Amino acid sequence: DAKTTQPNSMESNEEEPVHLPCNHSTISGTDYIHWYRQLPSQGPEYVIHGLTSNVNNRMASLAIAEDRKSSTLILHRATLRDAAVYYCILRDLQGAQKLVFGQGTRLTINP
Amino acid sequence: DSGVTQTPKHLITATGQRVTLRCSPRSGDLSVYWYQQSLDQGLQFLIQYYNGEERAKGNILERFSAQQFPDLHSELNLSSLELGDSALYFCASSGGLAQETQYFGPGTRLLVL
Repeated sequence: DAKTTQPNSMESNEEEPVHLPCNHSTISGTDYIHWYRQLPSQGPEYVIHGLTSNVNNRMASLAIAEDRKSSTLILHRATLRDAAVYYCILRDLQGAQKLVFGQGTRLTINP
Repeated sequence: DSGVTQTPKHLITATGQRVTLRCSPRSGDLSVYWYQQSLDQGLQFLIQYYNGEERAKGNILERFSAQQFPDLHSELNLSSLELGDSALYFCASSGGLAQETQYFGPGTRLLVL
């Protein structure tokens, strides 16, 4: 499975935008970029995914670099409830369905 | 609420014992996945079942086994428990075999003393 690299931790303030980076320099053409997050004492939950174009949903936006070697998860107005570990995961369309989690980025939101 | 339920929420047992963790997938989901989360190893995939059949295996120990029943609920059996088996065990489900979103349950926290 292609690997991703994320900062161990990030900190932001409530109601400010947050940009969570992910590097995936060995990404293949059939790899989708998925983001999951794990709130304290909960199971992981899906956030967003994309292939080449930027994507938006009610939770976040995903900005994908033109060469696809990096991506950024954007939380437009962080709330205290967004404090979680965020995982950037590559999923091959033709590959196994399992999720391969890295260490993720622990996001702290200051009030 | 993801729609995936897991029981029990907490389990405390002794080394050498055997326990069974239960998972009910979201209504209509055919695939069930088991993951283990420990402090040193992070979140790791154990095993996947699809419509009653084993589909994929990850880093699952031989002391561990799982099955998926006709009603699609799944059980993870852990035997000859060791201290190092203490972890959070998550079940997830998805619709089928495509690269769909996985929905996770709240987990079972296992403590082996």
